[in-house]
Amino acid sequence: QSVLTQPPSVSGAPGQRVTISCTGSSSNIGAGYYVHWYLQLPGTAPKLLIYGDTNRPSGVPDRFSGSKSGTSASLAITGLQAEDEADYYCQSYDSSLSGSVFGGGTKLTVL
Amino acid sequence: EVQLVESGGGLVQPGRSLRLSCAASGFPFDDFGMSWVRQRPRKGLEWVAGIIWDSGDKAYADSVKGRFTISRDNAKKFVYLQMNSLRVEDTALYYCAKPLSPGSPWDDSFSTWGQGTMVTVSS
Repeated sequence: QSVLTQPPSVSGAPGQRVTISCTGSSSNIGAGYYVHWYLQLPGTAPKLLIYGDTNRPSGVPDRFSGSKSGTSASLAITGLQAEDEADYYCQSYDSSLSGSVFGGGTKLTVL
Repeated sequence: EVQLVESGGGLVQPGRSLRLSCAASGFPFDDFGMSWVRQRPRKGLEWVAGIIWDSGDKAYADSVKGRFTISRDNAKKFVYLQMNSLRVEDTALYYCAKPLSPGSPWDDSFSTWGQGTMVTVSS
């Protein structure tokens, strides 16, 4: 059971927009700690997509965007492409656990 | 180029020990805290442990507290994970991860990951 809750799967057609939610609590996202997002392709290490709630590292397309409100955060992907098919994870800090926590991951399928 | 290379994984019996190593290069190692993150087979990511730049503070996930110890050697640019009293549920791919910014490695994002080293705990 992950501290941060993500939907197990989402899907969308090429060109569409999808969002992936990440729900936490008052000891992590709700406490104001940053949320970060990662993409993981099969057999590869995770890649940082969004840091500090809304920021993209250089090289990440602006089709990817992050937002946060209350105890939840979201990753939005616009203009879906076949190569976006991957697992996506959110991450934050939890003050009760005094450590970093990840969501359970969401598998994105491009139809 | 920033690079992290893990080693030391393998097959080990329950109750035994193993030490993982992570060789860092391409960045000012002694400015950054470092973390270990694991991924059980076909499962999600789990942060395991973190250490700040001068080893003055360390943090662990509850699942490994008291059994695992993180350490570092700034002169050699290595970070280690000593794993004792291993359990079947510790079977996972273990990643070494560098935070985006200097400072605490457990409340920052991880901008660089190694390729991982597999640990299998089985009798």
